[in-house]
Amino acid sequence: DTAVSQTPKYLVTQMGNDKSIKCEQNLGHDTMYWYKQDSKKFLKIMFSYNNKELIINETVPNRFSPKSPDKAHLNLHINSLELGDSAVYFCASSPLDSGNTQYFGPGTRLTVL
Amino acid sequence: AQSVTQLDSHVSVSEGTPVLLRCNYSSSYSPSLFWYVQHPNKGLQLLLKYTSAATLVKGINGFEAEFKKSETSFHLTKPSAHMSDAAEYFCVVTKGTGGFKTIFGAGTRLFVKA
Repeated sequence: DTAVSQTPKYLVTQMGNDKSIKCEQNLGHDTMYWYKQDSKKFLKIMFSYNNKELIINETVPNRFSPKSPDKAHLNLHINSLELGDSAVYFCASSPLDSGNTQYFGPGTRLTVL
Repeated sequence: AQSVTQLDSHVSVSEGTPVLLRCNYSSSYSPSLFWYVQHPNKGLQLLLKYTSAATLVKGINGFEAEFKKSETSFHLTKPSAHMSDAAEYFCVVTKGTGGFKTIFGAGTRLFVKA
């Protein structure tokens, strides 16, 4: 069974569009995250949600907004997509008592044309 | 503030020879340290973690890492490389629990030659 899943796996869209990436975890974890991995493989944490509260909000554009309908889901909504948003986006989750071991989804490759 | 530096962007070894991937960290408190592996076009998989227990940590697939506070290092090793080990490896430092602050290293690409 998939622990952390993301949809879609690939997303190709035009500049200016609005898109969402969905993430679900069936591990019962308390915290979920979104990361961006650029073309040089550098990973940067974007957001973290704990019990439906945003606890980390890195300096990302406000065009990016995480939405958590419940503890098992953390979706990423992106408005007015730009070329520089092209990257692989990873969702992850972790329990509170694991020393912050994070479990990652398979990633969503976003291409903005 | 905390940071993590992976000293090599690329490492190339022959199959059957030892692997050493170097990582240095900076932290003003006792950190949690991790190594993750990413195979091409795949997500990240946890190899091992250090959370202030034993300083020598054993992970999956024969990998291990030693936490050396005096050297602020957490190098990843494996006695004998296998072709399937070819991947990108990330050293990660984090503060506390619940994901309050996580910093990834820039990654080390491991090549394994037959």
